[in-house]
Amino acid sequence: GESVGLHLPTLSVQEGDNSIINCAYSNSASDYFIWYKQESGKGPQFIIDIRSNMDKRQGQRVTVLLNKTVKHLSLQIAATQPGDSAVYFCAETHSGNTPLVFGKGTRLSVIA
Amino acid sequence: EADIYQTPRYLVIGTGKKITLECSQTMGHDKMYWYQQDPGMELHLIHYSYGVNSTEKGDLSSESTVSRIRTEHFPLTLESARPSHTSQYLCASSEYGGDGTDTQYFGPGTRLTVL
Repeated sequence: GESVGLHLPTLSVQEGDNSIINCAYSNSASDYFIWYKQESGKGPQFIIDIRSNMDKRQGQRVTVLLNKTVKHLSLQIAATQPGDSAVYFCAETHSGNTPLVFGKGTRLSVIA
Repeated sequence: EADIYQTPRYLVIGTGKKITLECSQTMGHDKMYWYQQDPGMELHLIHYSYGVNSTEKGDLSSESTVSRIRTEHFPLTLESARPSHTSQYLCASSEYGGDGTDTQYFGPGTRLTVL
């Protein structure tokens, strides 16, 4: 079946360094992608989204890159802080008509 | 901060009990969802609804049922709880933006333990 998966289950970075979390998706028809952050004991929280007519979108300290050719999505976090420690999920959908498909998640640990 | 609420936050019950997990949102979203998630693991879609009186099963129906009588309310019922139902249950809602966006906002979750 179609699915969204992540390359790395865990990622450890030094405080102040940049983090890059990757995601591969298999449905070439997907046109909307979201990154979520989930802290322990909480529901996923929206970070940033991107539509397929874009290849880059920036937020506050975060950037999402979309490469439709290789069906790859990445989340870049600048100057990673301890508060960024969480599990990060990517999710995809097609025109909002189908439920989001979530990846398996990457746990980001920030080393002080 | 999204206005979506779940009760109870924690629940411990015995096998065979019937339980209902509550989810409400005040954003007027047409779409609502239930997910099951084990700690640190991926989210599995259980049920979803695209409007009042509309419900669909997800990949993991988990022997549960839902109803959507009101836009803001989407309760999940387990008719007979089993230890395999022990998990976190997350509710979400969204509204199609017309520009291709359809961001889901999540509640805080209900952590269910079935003894």
